[in-house]
Amino acid sequence: EAQVTQNPRYLITVTGKKLTVTCSQNMNHEYMSWYRQDPGLGLRQIYYSMNVEVTDKGDVPEGYKVSRKEKRNFPLILESPSPNQTSLYFCASSPPGLEQYFGPGTRLTVT
Amino acid sequence: KNEVEQSPQNLTAQEGEFITINCSYSVGISALHWLQQHPGGGIVSLFMLSSGKKKHGRLIATINIQEKHSSLHITASHPRDSAVYICAVPGDYSGAGSYQLTFGKGTKLSVIP
Repeated sequence: EAQVTQNPRYLITVTGKKLTVTCSQNMNHEYMSWYRQDPGLGLRQIYYSMNVEVTDKGDVPEGYKVSRKEKRNFPLILESPSPNQTSLYFCASSPPGLEQYFGPGTRLTVT
Repeated sequence: KNEVEQSPQNLTAQEGEFITINCSYSVGISALHWLQQHPGGGIVSLFMLSSGKKKHGRLIATINIQEKHSSLHITASHPRDSAVYICAVPGDYSGAGSYQLTFGKGTKLSVIP
């Protein structure tokens, strides 16, 4: 089944404890992206990648890192999480210039 | 940076009604996305369009590039259409900017039986 998977789906952590949210797609898509969704602010793009080893910042990259070493994986790294990074995170992928497939979301709480 | 406005923010309709959700943006684009987010949180891409009109079942999306405006229509609405509908546009017209998406705040639709 064609899909984008994210892990974990739910995470509660403490300020400063490094964490990684994984994203994987099985559709051989070149493009992948990370978004966060917050009440009243909607969806905002964090980082995106147009292919392996090619990444670029979205609107809200501060406090996040990404890497794209393989086509199928695009992990989101929070080196030192803070409470303002409490949010619902979505990963998405697509072929170039076409509709995006979204993962199920990861709900992160930083205390 | 492209600015995106959606209207209305909230919409309640009776089952069977024809529904229209609007999206306006400030900068010329290569394509516009319509997304659906169900109460459980999952997001599904409904349409990506760059001109004219597209139709999937009871959903119709139109775009007017000159007026920088798009509409999403739902015919014969049903309670299962209850969701948040979100439009998204690229940051600029071409190249890498077309992958930098800016989203509207969403329209919350509730369809009552």
